[in-house]
Amino acid sequence: AQSVSQHNHHVILSEAASLELGCNYSYGGTVNLFWYVQYPGQHLQLLLKYFSGDPLVKGIKGFEAEFIKSKFSFNLRKPSVQWSDTAEYFCAVRDKGNTPLVFGKGTRLSVIA
Amino acid sequence: DAMVIQNPRYQVTQFGKPVTLSCSQTLNHNVMYWYQQKSSQAPKLLFHYYDKDFNNEADTPDNFQSRRPNTSFCFLDIRSPGLGDAAMYLCATSRVGGADWSFFGQGTRLTVV
Repeated sequence: AQSVSQHNHHVILSEAASLELGCNYSYGGTVNLFWYVQYPGQHLQLLLKYFSGDPLVKGIKGFEAEFIKSKFSFNLRKPSVQWSDTAEYFCAVRDKGNTPLVFGKGTRLSVIA
Repeated sequence: DAMVIQNPRYQVTQFGKPVTLSCSQTLNHNVMYWYQQKSSQAPKLLFHYYDKDFNNEADTPDNFQSRRPNTSFCFLDIRSPGLGDAAMYLCATSRVGGADWSFFGQGTRLTVV
């Protein structure tokens, strides 16, 4: 069965620092990859997704992620974080065939001034 | 406008007293999901409907049931809540067949006293 690992439980950064959150999945078939963000008190929102094509995908709010098939990875990046990026970030994978999402445990990002 | 609406946002129930959580969607998506999310853990899929076809996860307790009377609505019934069922319950929808992703509701936080 598919599983998703997010390496960092809690990341604390200063404003303007660069961000990289790791995500690895276990099953190597055709997958769709997602990053969701959950701001405090709000619902899960799609940040970006990868289905096919260019492995470097750009999402909202300056986030991007790179799919590296050989490493089963889909790391999330942002060159310069803002205080408003404080949130929980979830990586999710969906196997081909529109099976349900499998989530990682999430990474809490705290951005301090 | 909210597209996946969960009611109530907060629910307190007594140990052993049946409780129902509701979810409605305006997206006309054919798939609806229920996830359970406990603190600092990944959302865990309980079950999902593909149209009217019910798909139960193997490790979902019998205590949890679901109904989908029509495309727009889906209910989660917990027949005899225990203290361990206290969690955030997330409803999500998606559309089969396209390059689509899951839309989430704001969740219902269930407290068992």
